[in-house]
Amino acid sequence: QVQLVQSGAEVKKPGASVKVSCKASGYTFSDYNMHWVRQAPGQGLEWMGWISPNNGATKYAQKSQGRVTMTRDTSINTVYMEVGSLRFDDTAFYFCTRKYCSGGLCSFDYWGQGTLITVSS
Amino acid sequence: DIVMTQSPLSLPVTPGEPASISCRSSQSLLYSNGYNYLDWYVQKPGQSPQLLIYMGSYRAPGVPDRFSGSGSGTDFTLKISRVEAEDVGVYYCMQDLKAETFGQGTKVEIK
Repeated sequence: QVQLVQSGAEVKKPGASVKVSCKASGYTFSDYNMHWVRQAPGQGLEWMGWISPNNGATKYAQKSQGRVTMTRDTSINTVYMEVGSLRFDDTAFYFCTRKYCSGGLCSFDYWGQGTLITVSS
Repeated sequence: DIVMTQSPLSLPVTPGEPASISCRSSQSLLYSNGYNYLDWYVQKPGQSPQLLIYMGSYRAPGVPDRFSGSGSGTDFTLKISRVEAEDVGVYYCMQDLKAETFGQGTKVEIK
């Protein structure tokens, strides 16, 4: 069965960086792009961007550009999302989610459990 | 960016009664292939979001048939034919025609 397992919660100081991992299993890792979505406490969902596990291509939301880097390690079926120069308002749950596409029909069909990143001095 | 606007933002419901959520986009989500690039997700308390409806009207595997999606272009609706207690949560529409964006979310709670 498809599973996306994310790394654990972290507390970081402003200005620091954080790297969240998302390990995929139960399907061919390179077949589907992986997206990242974040959710500030009590707020809505915000799309951050995606990475192609196949070739490493990325696309970032305008708001993410410059501070967010997505990478992957195909040897361990894992994608990473790093946020640099952390600010207090980066405090949020970060979710990875698989973009499944078939015959032109696409959706976020599986989600990780979420990783809480807290930025605190 | 395509802006997604949901209404209402809060929806108290009575079990057994129908419920409806509206989602409007600032640009048409109907692509040349005939599909609308609009999905519905629900986030139940303490959980990750989960897929309900994709491409406007296709119910995801395992989703009860009391959930249905309709609409085209810029106006979409999620309907629950008979609300059950387990349906409480926040419902989001999302467009993925151009750089995904979500609606603000509609909180469904039992009266």
